[in-house]
Amino acid sequence: AQSVSQHNHHVILSEAASLELGCNYSYGGTVNLFWYVQYPGQHLQLLLKYFSGDPLVKGIKGFEAEFIKSKFSFNLRKPSVQWSDTAEYFCAVNARVGYQKVTFGTGTKLQVIP
Amino acid sequence: GAGVSQSPSNKVTEKGKDVELRCDPISGHTALYWYRQSLGQGLEFLIYFQGNSAPDKSGLPSDRFSAERTGGSVSTLTIQRTQQEDSAVYLCASSIVAGENNEQFFGPGTRLTVL
Repeated sequence: AQSVSQHNHHVILSEAASLELGCNYSYGGTVNLFWYVQYPGQHLQLLLKYFSGDPLVKGIKGFEAEFIKSKFSFNLRKPSVQWSDTAEYFCAVNARVGYQKVTFGTGTKLQVIP
Repeated sequence: GAGVSQSPSNKVTEKGKDVELRCDPISGHTALYWYRQSLGQGLEFLIYFQGNSAPDKSGLPSDRFSAERTGGSVSTLTIQRTQQEDSAVYLCASSIVAGENNEQFFGPGTRLTVL
């Protein structure tokens, strides 16, 4: 069975600080990886995804994530956060074998202080 | 519609009552998913539909929970004899197909409170 670990439950940063949110997954086979974001009062929405190819994936709003297969990691990064990045971020994984359910991490709440 | 819609947005019920939660997926999306989000928890998978059939019901927490989908579109999640631990936000998502490239689009959720 697959699982996802997000080690940071609550992160507080000042504007312009750099961000890195950790995500590790457990699964022996080929996977799809996702980061979803939930802004206050809004739906969950896809931030970026990795299916195959270049392990460095760029998403919306300046976010990027790097898939490191040897470390089973898919950390989310942004060089300079803004107050509007305040949200909850979820890492997710599913096995790439036909249909496999998507497993989500417990989420990281990011608070950016102006 | 433009996105996934869910109703009601909020539901308060008494312990022991039955509730029905509705999800309207994006038109043309064949796959539909139900999740539960409890305070401080991640998203807990409940059930997945491909068309009207549910190949994966592995996440339903008990036999009090059931779901159906009709016409390959609207889905209803039913919780019978609700308990306080059922209180959570129930999220629905849909995707064009289920499979390798299954980007899911989420609805706003139904916040269920069981008193």
